[in-house]
Amino acid sequence: DGGITQSPKYLFRKEGQNVTLSCEQNLNHDAMYWYRQDPGQGLRLIYYSQIVNDFQKGDIAEGYSVSREKKESFPLTVTSAQKNPTAFYLCASSIPGVETQYFGPGTRLLVL
Amino acid sequence: DQQVKQNSPSLSVQEGRISILNCDYTNSMFDYFLWYKKYPAEGPTFLISISSIKDKNEDGRFTVFLNKSAKHLSLHIVPSQPGDSAVYFCAASGTTGNQFYFGTGTSLTVIP
Repeated sequence: DGGITQSPKYLFRKEGQNVTLSCEQNLNHDAMYWYRQDPGQGLRLIYYSQIVNDFQKGDIAEGYSVSREKKESFPLTVTSAQKNPTAFYLCASSIPGVETQYFGPGTRLLVL
Repeated sequence: DQQVKQNSPSLSVQEGRISILNCDYTNSMFDYFLWYKKYPAEGPTFLISISSIKDKNEDGRFTVFLNKSAKHLSLHIVPSQPGDSAVYFCAASGTTGNQFYFGTGTSLTVIP
């Protein structure tokens, strides 16, 4: 079955700790994205990658980092510099030039 | 600056009646628009889209209308069913890249 998986479903972060959210897709999509959703707000773009070994900052990249070493994988690290990390994080993928994005189930990050 | 706006945070409709969800955008460079449906703690799922060369696109019970001069689009669901109860996001993208901009969502409740 083709799709996007995100893990873990829930993640707890201690103050000053870096945590990494996993996103894997087997759709053979070139483009991948990370969004953040806060209550009452739309999805805001953190980072996106249109090809392996290349990625661009979105609107709210500060305090986050990504890597794209493989086509299938686009992990997001929430660093200690991100002062308000509590949110629902969504990963998506698409074929460049095809506008529809496919989303994973999301990871909810909570700060202890 | 929110480039895509959904001004109604919630909407309640009787089963069998029409649901109309509205979305406004500010960037005239947007040329592709999408609607996503989202259940709690899940990723959004693609519903329907429309390109700027059209003013209407229909898929079963779902129809999207685009008014380019007013920078407004709407999603009509007829007839509404209880399973349609979810949060609906509109999104827009332009030709300058693969970046998508999402509205804040409208929570639709269909009352049996």
